[in-house]
Amino acid sequence: EAGVTQSPTHLIKTRGQQATLRCSPISGHTSVYWYQQALGLGLQFLLWYDEGEERNRGNFPPRFSGRQFPNYSSELNVNALELEDSALYLCASSLGRLAGLNTEAFFGQGTRLTVV
Amino acid sequence: GESVGLHLPTLSVQEGDNSIINCAYSNSASDYFIWYKQESGKGPQFIIDIRSNMDKRQGQRVTVLLNKTVKHLSLQIAATQPGDSAVYFCAENNAGNMLTFGGGTRLMVKP
Repeated sequence: EAGVTQSPTHLIKTRGQQATLRCSPISGHTSVYWYQQALGLGLQFLLWYDEGEERNRGNFPPRFSGRQFPNYSSELNVNALELEDSALYLCASSLGRLAGLNTEAFFGQGTRLTVV
Repeated sequence: GESVGLHLPTLSVQEGDNSIINCAYSNSASDYFIWYKQESGKGPQFIIDIRSNMDKRQGQRVTVLLNKTVKHLSLQIAATQPGDSAVYFCAENNAGNMLTFGGGTRLMVKP
């Protein structure tokens, strides 16, 4: 069974541009989470989508946005890129709400975004 | 919370020894905890989880202990192997289905 897949693996953008990152969850998983892991820092929660709706967002500016499609895949969009947005962006998926039965969150390999 | 990666706590153990990685969490209302392993250039890999109504859970070569009184979580790895070398993160599930990650501990296994 395929795990969480993310694309692209690497992305280089210029300051002020927009970036779009994609995530395909594990088959059957309805919840998708996005995290940012900046160099030297831990994972910071960005967004949670479930059943096509944004359910929660972390402490990030509105230029970080996303959506979840009917097939439960998800996109993360970052507008007006800043140098500080350079990070590893990780997507995770779970079968349902965390802490329920068999609802562990599994991560993809991430997209390394570099803003120059 | 956050930590600066250059100052990531490091645990160095001899191959075959047992490892204990500790984590202090922040929210007494957290109901679910997970340990992840992250190797260089890869995404976090799920190791083991525990719910707040338990104080111990065992997996294959790993044990997680939860002490809610002092808000402390530990991961024990038995017979540590070179392949266990990685950064280990604890995460707590807060209200809003949001995992909050600790700063991580780097485990180095000496052959």
